[in-house]
Amino acid sequence: NAGVTQTPKFQVLKTGQSMTLQCAQDMNHNSMYWYRQDPGMGLRLIYYSASEGTTDKGEVPNGYNVSRLNKREFSLRLESAAPSQTSVYFCASSVGAGSEKLFFGSGTQLSVL
Amino acid sequence: AQSVTQLGSHVSVSEGALVLLRCNYSSSVPPYLFWYVQYPNQGLQLLLKYTTGATLVKGINGFEAEFKKSETSFHLTKPSAHMSDAAEYFCAVRMDTGRRALTFGSGTRLQVQP
Repeated sequence: NAGVTQTPKFQVLKTGQSMTLQCAQDMNHNSMYWYRQDPGMGLRLIYYSASEGTTDKGEVPNGYNVSRLNKREFSLRLESAAPSQTSVYFCASSVGAGSEKLFFGSGTQLSVL
Repeated sequence: AQSVTQLGSHVSVSEGALVLLRCNYSSSVPPYLFWYVQYPNQGLQLLLKYTTGATLVKGINGFEAEFKKSETSFHLTKPSAHMSDAAEYFCAVRMDTGRRALTFGSGTRLQVQP
């Protein structure tokens, strides 16, 4: 029972490089989310997808794009990485947008030099 | 807009002592409130939740929280700390309308001393 799977677990980028963080869930959940976690700031919502085919901005969407590829997969893309994007990124899913319980992946630690 | 404030970024208790982690929220409408726990190098897990009904809610691992509307608080407690409780704890809030995604507090790291 994999739950929410994120890849990669670690990544180092140079400023200006691009990359895509992958996320997949096998629980048939409708809603998926991307959060970033920074020391002293908790988790901040980057983008979310309430259902397949929809995406919406969260609190800190600048510098990111997302794609809800299908019901299972929700990717996060950094087109031109900046040092301010150094963070731990978490993908999460829930049964629906109003659901009370989020299931989290184990995170991607990203460093931008 | 909703927000969550967790008082104290670090809390240290002795094993067997009372655990009290504080959370206050601001909301113009009745909120849904949550506590999540994060163990090292893992994602977050739901500890307990308040939606409607009984204001004292019990969660996993002996934790409980009480919703106090008059104080806009949702503090997390456990009568007797265990070494395995050492983790980071996040309070979160969600509205029933608008953006239906959780807003998290900044977290409180709980240290349990032997």
